[in-house]
Amino acid sequence: NAGVTQTPKFQVLKTGQSMTLQCAQDMNHEYMSWYRQDPGMGLRLIHYSVGAGITDQGEVPNGYNVSRSTTEDFPLRLLSAAPSQTSVYFCASSRTGDAGELFFGEGSRLTVL
Amino acid sequence: GNSVTQMEGPVTLSEEAFLTINCTYTATGYPSLFWYVQYPGEGLQLLLKATKADDKGSNKGFEATYRKETTSFHLEKGSVQVSDSAVYFCALSRYGQNFVFGPGTRLSVLP
Repeated sequence: NAGVTQTPKFQVLKTGQSMTLQCAQDMNHEYMSWYRQDPGMGLRLIHYSVGAGITDQGEVPNGYNVSRSTTEDFPLRLLSAAPSQTSVYFCASSRTGDAGELFFGEGSRLTVL
Repeated sequence: GNSVTQMEGPVTLSEEAFLTINCTYTATGYPSLFWYVQYPGEGLQLLLKATKADDKGSNKGFEATYRKETTSFHLEKGSVQVSDSAVYFCALSRYGQNFVFGPGTRLSVLP
């Protein structure tokens, strides 16, 4: 079972460059989300989606865009990378409507120089 | 809004010691409660969960009981092993979304 797949696992960017972190899940989950994890800050929610065509902002959305054109995919876009976006990013998904757990990808480590 | 508070640690124990990591929450209604574990260099994975008051979640020797009266979900293990060294996150959610995580507790178990 693939579960939640994130790519790339590692990425180095220069300030001002753009990139997209890919996230795909094969569990037919309605809910998908992106978190960033920084030392001493725990997990912070960036954006989330409760279904195809629906997205909303989390706690720290500035500098990031998302879209949800299909149930399976939820890419995270950095339009103009900044050093403050150096972090480990996790995509996660769950089935809504019950006490479903959140399934996480393995993470993407991004460094912005 | 909903929130989760947990002891931040780090917690350092000797092998076979008893472990307790405290977690309390604030939420409206009856959230589901979770403990996630993150091993070095990996993503978070579910350790155990409880969906209603007085439920006990258990897995790999870890246990936690959903206490509505004290709004708590403390994680316990009777005898920790070196392989339990990881970061542990307490979390809550409503209806499989709006997950809220605690700050994480780093556990180191020494042989």
